[in-house]
Amino acid sequence: GESVGLHLPTLSVQEGDNSIINCAYSNSASDYFIWYKQESGKGPQFIIDIRSNMDKRQGQRVTVLLNKTVKHLSLQIAATQPGDSAVYFCAENGGATNKLIFGTGTLLAVQP
Amino acid sequence: DTGVSQDPRHKITKRGQNVTFRCDPISEHNRLYWYRQTLGQGPEFLTYFQNEAQLEKSRLLSDRFSAERPKGSFSTLEIQRTEQGDSAMYLCASSPGYGYTFGSGTRLTVV
Repeated sequence: GESVGLHLPTLSVQEGDNSIINCAYSNSASDYFIWYKQESGKGPQFIIDIRSNMDKRQGQRVTVLLNKTVKHLSLQIAATQPGDSAVYFCAENGGATNKLIFGTGTLLAVQP
Repeated sequence: DTGVSQDPRHKITKRGQNVTFRCDPISEHNRLYWYRQTLGQGPEFLTYFQNEAQLEKSRLLSDRFSAERPKGSFSTLEIQRTEQGDSAMYLCASSPGYGYTFGSGTRLTVV
């Protein structure tokens, strides 16, 4: 039923701490990966992306790491703030049409 | 507002009724995608348009679902004979090639 879908993996952190959110992707041929933030009642919001020819990319307070050997992505958020509280999804580029295949989300809860 | 617009934001309908949603993409984006998202899950791909051509449809898109993008600009997604299992958030995204911008979605509740 619908309640099964509510059991999102949850990461609870204190304000100011660093957060690390992990994601496993499915297709070893995927060449582009994106992290999205989704707040309640809103669409996914782009955070950072990385191509398969890189293993690390940094943005403002965020870093994405890509390990193609084990098909693993991580999102690091530095100095986590209450406004970072949301569900975070990784997505991989699935095929010639560039459709996105989303992973299981992680709920980030930032405690003030 | 130069983002992706979706209308309506919320729709409550009785089982068996038809509903239609609209998406207005960013004007210079030639690619448009529809996704469906149920509570606690990531968005799932439904269909893709490049300009006015519908180039890919997911197996999730049953024959009760139809999507159009008649002039290569806005798109509509229609669900006929709605079922309770159709209750979900329907998201539209547009892209110029790489990178995507999502709209805020239409929340459909079938009662």
